[in-house]
Amino acid sequence: GIQVEQSPPDLILQEGANSTLRCNFSDSVNNLQWFHQNPWGQLINLFYIPSGTKQNGRLSATTVATERYSLLYISSSQTTDSGVYFCAVNSGGGADGLTFGKGTHLIIQP
Amino acid sequence: EAQVTQNPRYLITVTGKKLTVTCSQNMNHEYMSWYRQDPGLGLRQIYYSMNVEVTDKGDVPEGYKVSRKEKRNFPLILESPSPNQTSLYFCASSRSRDATYEQYFGPGTRLTVT
Repeated sequence: GIQVEQSPPDLILQEGANSTLRCNFSDSVNNLQWFHQNPWGQLINLFYIPSGTKQNGRLSATTVATERYSLLYISSSQTTDSGVYFCAVNSGGGADGLTFGKGTHLIIQP
Repeated sequence: EAQVTQNPRYLITVTGKKLTVTCSQNMNHEYMSWYRQDPGLGLRQIYYSMNVEVTDKGDVPEGYKVSRKEKRNFPLILESPSPNQTSLYFCASSRSRDATYEQYFGPGTRLTVT
């Protein structure tokens, strides 16, 4: 099956800093999503981005499908940005769900 | 508000006592699925459904059952729970009949089996 690798696994930043999270995948994808899992365990949809670039406030994402990677940018970090960020993909057009990466654990210190 | 709901949110039970976790979506979505999340193993799909009365196994279906009698509901049934089913469970839905479109996740159900 498709492999999804996220980097870095852990990241500690001061409030106000910018960060870039990376997701590499091993095959072509039909679906790529970024999620934020907050400290209460909830998965929050950030972006549905199988290709191209999107922005939502302080967050933006870019997927270069031909090179099999996606980047999530967080600018002017806030403590509420802390949590785990997951990249998840679907490959092959099947109904068998999303394959998740192991996540990037982000801690924003005040 | 468009959403996926799950109940209960937290459950502590004993080995062998049948339980059902409900999942409901109000977006008229075709596709629904269940995932479990475990430390070190990440999120893995248990079962999915492409339409009413159509269900299929995901990566880790053993010990679980599902049904899809109505479009909006997709309950997860553990007929004889065991401690290795202690996990965080998520229900998800999507407007397409497969996983190629955006998936929306419920808030999660934290299950402990003693």
